Amino acid sequence: KNQVEQSPQSLIILEGKNCTLQCNYTVSPFSNLRWYKQDTGRGPVSLTIMTFSENTKSNGRYTATLDADTKQSSLHITASQLSDSASYICVVSAFGGDDKIIFGKGTRLHILP
Amino acid sequence: DGGITQSPKYLFRKEGQNVTLSCEQNLNHDAMYWYRQDPGQGLRLIYYSQIVNDFQKGDIAEGYSVSREKKESFPLTVTSAQKNPTAFYLCASSIAKRYEQYFGPGTRLTVT
Repeated sequence: KNQVEQSPQSLIILEGKNCTLQCNYTVSPFSNLRWYKQDTGRGPVSLTIMTFSENTKSNGRYTATLDADTKQSSLHITASQLSDSASYICVVSAFGGDDKIIFGKGTRLHILP
Repeated sequence: DGGITQSPKYLFRKEGQNVTLSCEQNLNHDAMYWYRQDPGQGLRLIYYSQIVNDFQKGDIAEGYSVSREKKESFPLTVTSAQKNPTAFYLCASSIAKRYEQYFGPGTRLTVT
């Protein structure tokens, strides 16, 4: 069964600290993995998209990694800011007759001043 | 100014009434999608369309209907048959189904 599991469910850190969010998936055959940021009451915004051959991709203070062998991805946020408070959603696409798109439930990140 | 828009941002309806949510994109994307988001749950696919005049049911299509008469527009109707319609609805578009999706700002529907 195609699944995307994210951890932790929620996370609280102090402003300026770093953090890492995890995404494990069982989606097959793998096409790509995306990380989105969703502010409360808004639509998700893409942070990174990685294909099978990519191990790391950065977008400013956000760095995503992908290990296609273990089917794990992480999103590392450096020097967190109050504006990083949001939900972070991992999405995995599978090749196939109808190209499945599977969403994780997200990690809710709270940055405290 | 390219993007994907949804209207209205907030919508209130009485139980038993049908309601239509608007979604428009000027990104020239072929694929469009409707998702439902409930607290503590991931996005769930309602309907998607890969080309004009064609659409497929997603995982939770019961009680919903869509049309795709124009490439730019993909309206969603929430019918009275939908048992729990109160939710946050998100529209998205992409070049094709396996590619990066761009999301609209969402419509929060409350049915009382």
